[in-house]
Amino acid sequence: VQLVQSGAEVKKPGASVKVSCKASGYTFTAYYLHWVRQAPGQGLEWLGWFNPNSGGTKYGQKFQGRVTMTKDTSITTAHMELSRLTSDDTAVYYCARSLAATGHFDYWGQGTLVTVPS
Amino acid sequence: QSVLTQPPSASGTPGQRVTISCSGSSSNIESYYVNWYQQLPGTAPKLLIYRNNQRPSGVPDRFSGSRSGTSASLAIRGLRSEDEADYYCAAWDDSLSGWVFGGGTKLTVL
Repeated sequence: VQLVQSGAEVKKPGASVKVSCKASGYTFTAYYLHWVRQAPGQGLEWLGWFNPNSGGTKYGQKFQGRVTMTKDTSITTAHMELSRLTSDDTAVYYCARSLAATGHFDYWGQGTLVTVPS
Repeated sequence: QSVLTQPPSASGTPGQRVTISCSGSSSNIESYYVNWYQQLPGTAPKLLIYRNNQRPSGVPDRFSGSRSGTSASLAIRGLRSEDEADYYCAAWDDSLSGWVFGGGTKLTVL
């Protein structure tokens, strides 16, 4: 099982960023994909989950209206787009999979650093 | 301010036993499984304990988890230098309809 994420990004305030997570080694549609972020020196924060089988999503209350999770099934890749960026969005963004929406995250991507200079 | 409360730091000497607590509420820990993640410096989190007390394949039995009411704890016995890391508890929260994490505990092996 591997989750390989796209490279680091630097974005201006107000812009959007799209982070990708390519899954391999398992049936892509059988597992939920979650997005979790970690600001510098801080803890983990959940953004939401995406169901690659149904296309369904569940976003954290803090991010509703600003985050969009999608997939590209042909290349077993999930995407997370965050809009209206501010310096508070500077963080490492991780994707992680779980068998159920409320199940544990058994594999994680390597992380993608998104920097939004103030 | 994290929904789940952990001590910011913990420490022990090699061979000792240390415990890390995680306090929540009826909408998360009391109702749903607690999972623990270990994050070594500069790396992604790794699943350490799931469903309160289950260890994934490859995790040494020095690590154990438990849950009682609205609290959970992670115990590490026979502490080793390579256990120095940040540890996070996590649970689904019904009120927030989302995953919540503890603020993390930085474990130092003296």
